[in-house]
Amino acid sequence: AQSVTQPDIHITVSEGASLELRCNYSYGATPYLFWYVQSPGQGLQLLLKYFSGDTLVQGIKGFEAEFKRSQSSFNLRKPSVHWSDAAEYFCAVDSNTGNQFYFGTGTSLTVIP
Amino acid sequence: NAGVTQTPKFRVLKTGQSMTLLCAQDMNHEYMYWYRQDPGMGLRLIHYSVGEGTTAKGEVPDGYNVSRLKKQNFLLGLESAAPSQTSVYFCASSYTRNQPQHFGDGTRLSIL
Repeated sequence: AQSVTQPDIHITVSEGASLELRCNYSYGATPYLFWYVQSPGQGLQLLLKYFSGDTLVQGIKGFEAEFKRSQSSFNLRKPSVHWSDAAEYFCAVDSNTGNQFYFGTGTSLTVIP
Repeated sequence: NAGVTQTPKFRVLKTGQSMTLLCAQDMNHEYMYWYRQDPGMGLRLIHYSVGEGTTAKGEVPDGYNVSRLKKQNFLLGLESAAPSQTSVYFCASSYTRNQPQHFGDGTRLSIL
């Protein structure tokens, strides 16, 4: 079965610290990969995407993510977190076959001063 | 530039009542999607459409119907609401299936 796993339900980091949010997927082939962010009471906004090519992709707001085929992972990183980064983060996968799109269960990020 | 607009933003229903959620996009996107978001479960795809006049089932389609009579609109219907359908519903659209999805702000639906 196809699946997307975000093992961390909630993460707390200090402002200025680095951040890594984990995402693992299970598919036979390389899927299309996305990271979205959701602020309270709002819809989701795309941070970045990976389709092919360079495995390190840059997104908006200073985020980046690295695709590692051997680990079936697409972890999101940011070198220095700002208080405004507090939100819910979702990893998403398009299997590139069939017509389905799957989201992970999300990671809630709290930023402390 | 409205993007994706969902109507209504909030609604409370009684069990057995029916209602329709409306999603409108002004970006000329072909693909449109309806998701539900529940605590600890992320977003789950209910139904989607790959173009005007087409619809298809997603991961959790039971109890819902959809229609895409116009390219810019995607309607989600609940014929007989159940408490298990209490959720936040999100509509999204994209140019094609592998392009990033643009989301509305959601509809919070409570069924008593």
